[in-house]
Amino acid sequence: IAGITQAPTSQILAAGRRMTLRCTQDMRHNAMYWYRQDLGLGLRLIHYSNTAGTTGKGEVPDGYSVSRANTDDFPLTLASAVPSQTSVYFCASSELAGALSTQYFGPGTRLTVL
Amino acid sequence: GQNIDQPTEMTATEGAIVQINCTYQTSGFNGLFWYQQHAGEAPTFLSYNVLDGLEEKGRFSSFLSRSKGYSYLLLKELQMKDSASYLCAVRDSNYQLIWGAGTKLIIKP
Repeated sequence: IAGITQAPTSQILAAGRRMTLRCTQDMRHNAMYWYRQDLGLGLRLIHYSNTAGTTGKGEVPDGYSVSRANTDDFPLTLASAVPSQTSVYFCASSELAGALSTQYFGPGTRLTVL
Repeated sequence: GQNIDQPTEMTATEGAIVQINCTYQTSGFNGLFWYQQHAGEAPTFLSYNVLDGLEEKGRFSSFLSRSKGYSYLLLKELQMKDSASYLCAVRDSNYQLIWGAGTKLIIKP
């Protein structure tokens, strides 16, 4: 089934540990995005990639890094997790960056940092 | 700064009509999106407006007034499955989406 997959579904992590959230899409979309969603706040963009090989910083990039080695995969790494990174993380993709492209979302990863 | 405002929560009755408002102040405007998000699930695309006026798609319609920085989502013939959060998002001058906090819609029988 075409779409976006994320792994893991949920994770409890000790503060200070390194963690990589995985995101894979099979729609051959050029652009991909990582958001975090916290209660009472809108989705906030962490990092984005307009095309394979390029990445950019969003609204809340500190403490996170990304890579885009190919079209399909866009992993998000927390180098040293802190409790404020407890959130639900959504990966999204769109056919193109900007213009009329609609973003489609993966099922999310619920991360708890203790 | 950039800001998207929506009511936090609304309640409506099954079979009725409900209007969810969204006002925005952003650096540039390149379209407004509405998404639906059921609890514990991912947001799913509902509608897109870039020109002023009404876009109708089945039971759902979305309206945009760029001069007023205002949009609404109209849901007709409400069903219990419409209980969800509705997210308003504006694409800014950098073509990034700025999101509102969402409106939780509760449908009562």
